[in-house]
Amino acid sequence: AQTVTQSQPEMSVQEAETVTLSCTYDTSENNYYLFWYKQPPSRQMILVIRQEAYKQQNATENRFSVNFQKAAKSFSLKISDSQLGDTAMYFCAFMNPLIQGAQKLVFGQGTRLTINP
Amino acid sequence: ETGVTQTPRHLVMGMTNKKSLKCEQHLGHNAMYWYKQSAKKPLELMFVYNFKEQTENNSVPSRFSPECPNSSHLFLHLHTLQPEDSALYLCASSQVGAGTSVQETQYFGPGTRLLVL
Repeated sequence: AQTVTQSQPEMSVQEAETVTLSCTYDTSENNYYLFWYKQPPSRQMILVIRQEAYKQQNATENRFSVNFQKAAKSFSLKISDSQLGDTAMYFCAFMNPLIQGAQKLVFGQGTRLTINP
Repeated sequence: ETGVTQTPRHLVMGMTNKKSLKCEQHLGHNAMYWYKQSAKKPLELMFVYNFKEQTENNSVPSRFSPECPNSSHLFLHLHTLQPEDSALYLCASSQVGAGTSVQETQYFGPGTRLLVL
């Protein structure tokens, strides 16, 4: 079974700094998807960024980028020029698209990120 | 807004009550999901519906009863719950079988915060 581990329960940085959240996963599959979701204090889970395992190029979305190391099974999220609105719980998630029927997301435990003014 | 709505947003119920949670997606997706989010635990997948057919029941107690009348609506019927069932219940939807992470990304509703007394 796939597992996802986020080793940093909490992190705190100053506004405008760069912060990196770590995520490792365990799978024997070769083709899969990885996601970072953000859950602000208002609770709605929002997609931040996604990566397909067969793509070597790291995904980027504005200030958010990932460092995808397939051999190491690592998928870290970098937030550049952090803003107060980035304060949230961040969840790393794994999906095996080849499972029959609807695909299951496996989540990590989450990292609570606080951006201080 | 992610295109997935949930009602009610908050619910307090006694152990002998019967209540229902409702989820609606406006994204044209063909799969819907119920997740349970408890404090200090990863999100737990409860049920999956693919084209209105239940394809996953993740060992959920029978006091939780899902219903999917069509691909846009999903219900979770609750009866004789226990205090340990208090949690945030999240609904999500996705397009299954689309073949890319962009299309198969799960989009989440804001959740129902449930308290069982």
